[in-house]
Amino acid sequence: GENVEQHPSTLSVQEGDSAVIKCTYSDSASNYFPWYKQELGKGPQLIIDIRSNVGEKKDQRIAVTLNKTAKHFSLHITETQPEDSAVYFCAASVGGTALIFGKGTTLSVSS
Amino acid sequence: DTEVTQTPKHLVMGMTNKKSLKCEQHMGHRAMYWYKQKAKKPPELMFVYSYEKLSINESVPSRFSPECPNSSLLNLHLHALQPEDSALYLCASSQETRGTEAFFGQGTRLTVV
Repeated sequence: GENVEQHPSTLSVQEGDSAVIKCTYSDSASNYFPWYKQELGKGPQLIIDIRSNVGEKKDQRIAVTLNKTAKHFSLHITETQPEDSAVYFCAASVGGTALIFGKGTTLSVSS
Repeated sequence: DTEVTQTPKHLVMGMTNKKSLKCEQHMGHRAMYWYKQKAKKPPELMFVYSYEKLSINESVPSRFSPECPNSSLLNLHLHALQPEDSALYLCASSQETRGTEAFFGQGTRLTVV
């Protein structure tokens, strides 16, 4: 089955810096890669996603890149703000199945 | 509207109790999911319903019993749980199971005493 590895497990940055979180997946048939942000006491919130026919996608300060050959994808957050502090999960979906999550990255943005 | 509503938000139950968790969405999604999340861990898939039929059961113990009464509702019936079943139970929905956006509810924080 699909396996998703996520690094780093914790990331501390200064406000205004960029943050990068990386994930690798094992199943080359995976075709959908969302990123979720989870704040304390809340459910995961979809923040951006990318499909296997696209290499990069951007939404304001957030971008995701996908390298199908290497089977990895990354989340990039620019100009970080304290409210970006949360746990971020990557996930992968093989066609016709539910999401498999990475172990999560705790991002701390200090002002 | 991308809202998935879960009730109750918090639940404390004894090991001999029977309780139910409820989930509702009005986005017209035909896939609904139950995930279990322990502290500082990722969500773990429990069940998948596609077009109101159970399509995936990830070897979940029978003390957890899912039900999908209609395309908008998903229940999780709980009976004879153990303290290690204490966790955040998350419901999610998506248009299809095949690579479409999944939206999560806020979860039910379950404590088994």
